[in-house]
Amino acid sequence: EADIYQTPRYLVIGTGKKITLECSQTMGHDKMYWYQQDPGMELHLIHYSYGVNSTEKGDLSSESTVSRIRTEHFPLTLESARPSHTSQYLCASSETPNEKLFFGSGTQLSVL
Amino acid sequence: GENVEQHPSTLSVQEGDSAVIKCTYSDSASNYFPWYKQELGKGPQLIIDIRSNVGEKKDQRIAVTLNKTAKHFSLHITETQPEDSAVYFCAATPGGSYIPTFGRGTSLIVHP
Repeated sequence: EADIYQTPRYLVIGTGKKITLECSQTMGHDKMYWYQQDPGMELHLIHYSYGVNSTEKGDLSSESTVSRIRTEHFPLTLESARPSHTSQYLCASSETPNEKLFFGSGTQLSVL
Repeated sequence: GENVEQHPSTLSVQEGDSAVIKCTYSDSASNYFPWYKQELGKGPQLIIDIRSNVGEKKDQRIAVTLNKTAKHFSLHITETQPEDSAVYFCAATPGGSYIPTFGRGTSLIVHP
C-alpha cells in the first residue's frame, strides 16, 4: 500500500563521518517527516516539510539537516556522526488534507 | 503544545483475551486520533483512526473509543492472536496542524 522507501536499512560507520539517509516516496505526497526512534520505542519528530523548498525543525533538537528539492525526495544528512546519533531513523509522508502518515521501514544507524 | 500520555507501556495477554490500551491528550484543539501498529523491523502502520465528531469506531476485531470531555481515547482488541504482538502508538493531531503528537508506545505480547 505505502510506497515510501528508505536506504540503507542498516548502516555502521565511524565517528566523524558524513552520512546521508535517503527517503523517497512515489505517492506524490506533499508532506514528509523524519522521526528518531529511541530503544524505548518513543518517536521523536526531528524534521518535517510541507512541500518543496519547505523544511522545519521538529520537537527534538537534532544536529542533522534536511532538504526538499523534489516532492518525492527528503534526505537527511549528518555532517559529522557521533555515537550519540546511534538510533533508528524513520521517514514518513502524508497528503493534504489527509492526516494519515505512511512510514518507511527505517534506517538503523550505528556510530562507533 | 499537545501532550499525549499512553498506558500501559507493556501488556501481556493470552491468546483469545481482549487487550485495551489507553491514551489521554491535553489540547482541546486536537480532532484526529490515529492508532499505529509497529511490527519488528518495520515502520508504524495505521490500523484505525477516529475524529472528534465520532465517539466510537470499529473494524473487525479492533475498535477505538473517544471521550472528548475527558480527553481520552482507547484501543480495544478482541480475540487477540499471536500476530497482534507488536508495539502500538496512539497519537493526537490538532486541527490544521498535520503534525501528530505520539504516545510513548505500548508493547503488546500475545502468548499462544
